[in-house]
Amino acid sequence: AQSVTQLGSHVSVSEGALVLLRCNYSSSVPPYLFWYVQYPNQGLQLLLKYTSAATLVKGINGFEAEFKKSETSFHLTKPSAHMSDAAEYFCALKTSYDKVIFGPGTSLSVIP
Amino acid sequence: GAVVSQHPSWVICKSGTSVKIECRSLDFQATTMFWYRQFPKQSLMLMATSNEGSKATYEQGVEKDKFLINHASLTLSTLTVTSAHPEDSSFYICSAIHRVGSADTQYFGPGTRLTVL
Repeated sequence: AQSVTQLGSHVSVSEGALVLLRCNYSSSVPPYLFWYVQYPNQGLQLLLKYTSAATLVKGINGFEAEFKKSETSFHLTKPSAHMSDAAEYFCALKTSYDKVIFGPGTSLSVIP
Repeated sequence: GAVVSQHPSWVICKSGTSVKIECRSLDFQATTMFWYRQFPKQSLMLMATSNEGSKATYEQGVEKDKFLINHASLTLSTLTVTSAHPEDSSFYICSAIHRVGSADTQYFGPGTRLTVL
């Protein structure tokens, strides 16, 4: 079965510090992976996606993620956190039939 | 870029009433749309796959008679929560598949917050 896990339901970083949000997946087929951000009471915004091209994927707002098959990971990073990055982040996996399953989410807090 | 809208953005209803939520793809046709629900502080859970011109496919544990889905056109899918109860209060999000050649992208709507009193 395909699944997505996110280590750490809540992450706090200082403004200007490195952001690292962890995502691991389980899939028997080459995965399509995504990171989404959700601000309070809003829908989802796509940050970036991995579709089997480059393993290092750059997204919007300075975020990037690296696909590591050996570790079944797709961790999200940003070199320097900004206050506006505080939000909920979801890692997601596209399954067969175009279904997208989401990880449990990680809430990011940025401390001034 | 492609846009998906939802209407209403929020709704409050009395217990026992039915509520209809619309999901529209504004500048593309979508043969496939999805409905998700999200409880506070939780992730999105797929409820069903909406296919234009055919019956929706529901995920395990989702009551099809409770959550009626109609995908009557290539740009519109509706979710009707029948005989709503307070436990149905949630954030409902739809998504639509935009296919261009062999590539496809899934776009999400802004969500509809349902509160059942």
